[in-house]
Amino acid sequence: DAGITQSPRHKVTETGTPVTLRCHQTENHRYMYWYRQDPGHGLRLIHYSYGVKDTDKGEVSDGYSVSRSKTEDFLLTLESATSSQTSVYFCAISFMNGAGETQYFGPGTRLLVL
Amino acid sequence: GNSVTQMEGPVTLSEEAFLTINCTYTATGYPSLFWYVQYPGEGLQLLLKATKADDKGSNKGFEATYRKETTSFHLEKGSVQVSDSAVYFCALSDLSGSARQLTFGSGTQLTVLP
Repeated sequence: DAGITQSPRHKVTETGTPVTLRCHQTENHRYMYWYRQDPGHGLRLIHYSYGVKDTDKGEVSDGYSVSRSKTEDFLLTLESATSSQTSVYFCAISFMNGAGETQYFGPGTRLLVL
Repeated sequence: GNSVTQMEGPVTLSEEAFLTINCTYTATGYPSLFWYVQYPGEGLQLLLKATKADDKGSNKGFEATYRKETTSFHLEKGSVQVSDSAVYFCALSDLSGSARQLTFGSGTQLTVLP
């Protein structure tokens, strides 16, 4: 257990509304990531962070923004949700341990945009 | 760019059968390679990893060998159990020893029947 929680776990929203998903970690790791999971695509990186206020874009960043004002929280915002953003969103952290550097994933947030 | 190709599923096996899930990759340099497993309704869990050519990762009876000459990292298990039913993802990072900037395959659904 890498101490990652995501909230909410499920959300239904309407097209055009803003949505914020939260990822919280308890162990002060530097690197955090947001992915989306869609059938046939595996996981695709949306944004990642390498420290407070330090973020960068991933493969599928259009329509998403992120913020990291403190080490433990990494927020993903859909400014104006669209049906194409219906997906399962996973947060991850990476850190070094006895097995080398590894990414660990949260439980996911299932988002439905109507 | 980097890419990961997994054998398409779904794969259905009887309990105690031999399992192979093929994974090939395209990457520059010397990537690290990973297998993750996702049980229904859960996030991804690291199953095993290898960080350099000819390394063998192993865990819970699963094995995979990093083959640079064939750019492959096939997952194998000698005798599957019903509890192994899950989706399996192959992934790579573009730096040896790193777990950042992961690129995932599309996943392979495995169902094991009693």
